Amino acid sequence: QKEVEQNSGPLSVPEGAIASLNCTYSDRGSQSFFWYRQYSGKSPELIMFIYSNGDKEDGRFTAQLNKASQYVSLLIRDSQPSDSATYLCAVNNAGNMLTFGGGTRLMVKP
Amino acid sequence: NAGVTQTPKFQVLKTGQSMTLQCAQDMNHNSMYWYRQDPGMGLRLIYYSASEGTTDKGEVPNGYNVSRLNKREFSLRLESAAPSQTSVYFCASNLDRDSPLHFGNGTRLTVT
Repeated sequence: QKEVEQNSGPLSVPEGAIASLNCTYSDRGSQSFFWYRQYSGKSPELIMFIYSNGDKEDGRFTAQLNKASQYVSLLIRDSQPSDSATYLCAVNNAGNMLTFGGGTRLMVKP
Repeated sequence: NAGVTQTPKFQVLKTGQSMTLQCAQDMNHNSMYWYRQDPGMGLRLIYYSASEGTTDKGEVPNGYNVSRLNKREFSLRLESAAPSQTSVYFCASNLDRDSPLHFGNGTRLTVT
């Protein structure tokens, strides 16, 4: 079992809809959780980070963390074609290593 | 402010050749990392350096060596390249283990 799991997708949503991306992790000692966006051929760029249970909002993005259920999600409201990318979930485990999921490819159709 | 700078951007090696990937950051970060990214495998940690003077193995260290030259620079060396090392390599840094990573632009390596 991988430490950080994501559905590879593609997840296809129409423009203006809410995109919901999910990630589960195995290490209960994990304390830091990150979402990165990666366009094809580019390096990952940070979208959100969350440390505490609950929701954290930043513009059109909301990160949700549930440590009891060991999942973290990213909601993108009013999705735009420019949001089409691969979204990487990353979790910092107790061993001081940031482990990435395989990423979910999001396609926003005009 | 350059952030994280990696060189080279592209490299083609023949099996058995050696090379060093260079990485430098100007953000005064304590920790630096080398990842490789392969299709369907996501980003996998090769080596990391939590602070100047220390290095530790990550998930896939075999076939690689690293040097934390100083606080700014962290290099990755392939002593004898193999086709299985064909990948995109990313250097990254952060202030500490709980801080977001900042990535370089990547090195696309092909080993024939």
